[in-house]
Amino acid sequence: AQSVTQLDSQVPVFEEAPVELRCNYSSSVSVYLFWYVQYPNQGLQLLLKYLSGSTLVKGINGFEAEFNKSQTSFHLRKPSVHISDTAEYFCAVTMIYNQGGKLIFGQGTELSVKP
Amino acid sequence: EAGVAQSPRYKIIEKRQSVAFWCNPISGHATLYWYQQILGQGPKLLIQFQNNGVVDDSQLPKDRFSAERLKGVDSTLKIQPAKLEDSAVYLCASSLARGTGNTIYFGEGSWLTVV
Repeated sequence: AQSVTQLDSQVPVFEEAPVELRCNYSSSVSVYLFWYVQYPNQGLQLLLKYLSGSTLVKGINGFEAEFNKSQTSFHLRKPSVHISDTAEYFCAVTMIYNQGGKLIFGQGTELSVKP
Repeated sequence: EAGVAQSPRYKIIEKRQSVAFWCNPISGHATLYWYQQILGQGPKLLIQFQNNGVVDDSQLPKDRFSAERLKGVDSTLKIQPAKLEDSAVYLCASSLARGTGNTIYFGEGSWLTVV
């Protein structure tokens, strides 16, 4: 079975500071990895995804993530955050060979950017 | 391009009452998902359709939840009778095909409060 652990439930940070949101996964088979963002009272929006190739993936809004297979991690980073980045961030995985393609989500990390 | 549409956005019902949520996926998307997101948790898959057939309903509480996707387009999720623990956001999502690399697009969610 697959599982996703987001190591921090809340991350407070000041505007223009760098941030890292941590994600570890567990799976007996190969997986694809995703980060979604959820703004207040809205649905989830895809930030980025890793399918294959370069382990450093760039997404929207200046975010990037690095896939580390040996550490089974997929941490999300941004060098300088804005107030508008305040949201809930979810890491998710899906099994490569699963025909359904369903996403398994972590518990979420609440990013709070303060002025 | 229109996104995933859901209605109603908000619903408050008493326990033991029934409720139905409607979803219209992105045009041309064959795969449709219903996720349940309880406050403070990541979304959990309830049911997945491929066209009008069910691919995965292993986590759907079938004694009270039902879903259908007639004609392979719109879908309805019903809860009858509702329990207090059903209070959650119900997210509908769709993807172009069933392959695991495909991006899953989410609607804004239907917020259910059971009192």
